[in-house]
Amino acid sequence: DARVTQTPRHKVTEMGQEVTMRCQPILGHNTVFWYRQTMMQGLELLAYFRNRAPLDDSGMPKDRFSAEMPDATLATLKIQPSEPRDSAVYFCASGWTSLHTEAFFGQGTRLTVV
Amino acid sequence: KQEVTQIPAALSVPEGENLVLNCSFTDSAIYNLQWFRQDPGKGLTSLLLIQSSQREQTSGRLNASLDKSSGRSTLYIAASQPGDSATYLCASSYNQGGKLIFGQGTELSVKP
Repeated sequence: DARVTQTPRHKVTEMGQEVTMRCQPILGHNTVFWYRQTMMQGLELLAYFRNRAPLDDSGMPKDRFSAEMPDATLATLKIQPSEPRDSAVYFCASGWTSLHTEAFFGQGTRLTVV
Repeated sequence: KQEVTQIPAALSVPEGENLVLNCSFTDSAIYNLQWFRQDPGKGLTSLLLIQSSQREQTSGRLNASLDKSSGRSTLYIAASQPGDSATYLCASSYNQGGKLIFGQGTELSVKP
């Protein structure tokens, strides 16, 4: 059963701490997306990668956020230092650049910064 | 600016009713459009993907249509059931494997 796996599922941290979220895309998928979901803003794209190269990270606050793909089976999103306004659900999704590509989402990481 | 809008924001219907959810997009140069379902506290589940060359897609009781010229897509749910209660999101994409631009979703409640 192929699925996108995100860890941790929940994270509570204090303001100023570093947070790392991990994503294992579906094997064989070459595109990975990071989205953030809040009640006010809905789903916003933070960054996305194709063949491990960053294509668009314009939605990401560069001063505190960073996204990487150390290898094809792992994507990471880091926040340093974290702030209360970063509290949200962070979703990873993966897909394949084919004609009938669909994006498949993980279960998300619910982040609370206190 | 590429934007996606979903109306209504919330909808409550009795079980068995047929219903339509609406999605509109500002840029008609769409590559494809995807409908998702999200249950509370869960991730997004893909329901249907419509390519720009297609008019509609069907899966079981769900039928999604796409009208590029008017910038609209609809999701038709036949014979609604309480298990259909969830938030439904549409998302547009403007190139192959490209980023998705999401609407705010329609929260559907189907009453027994």
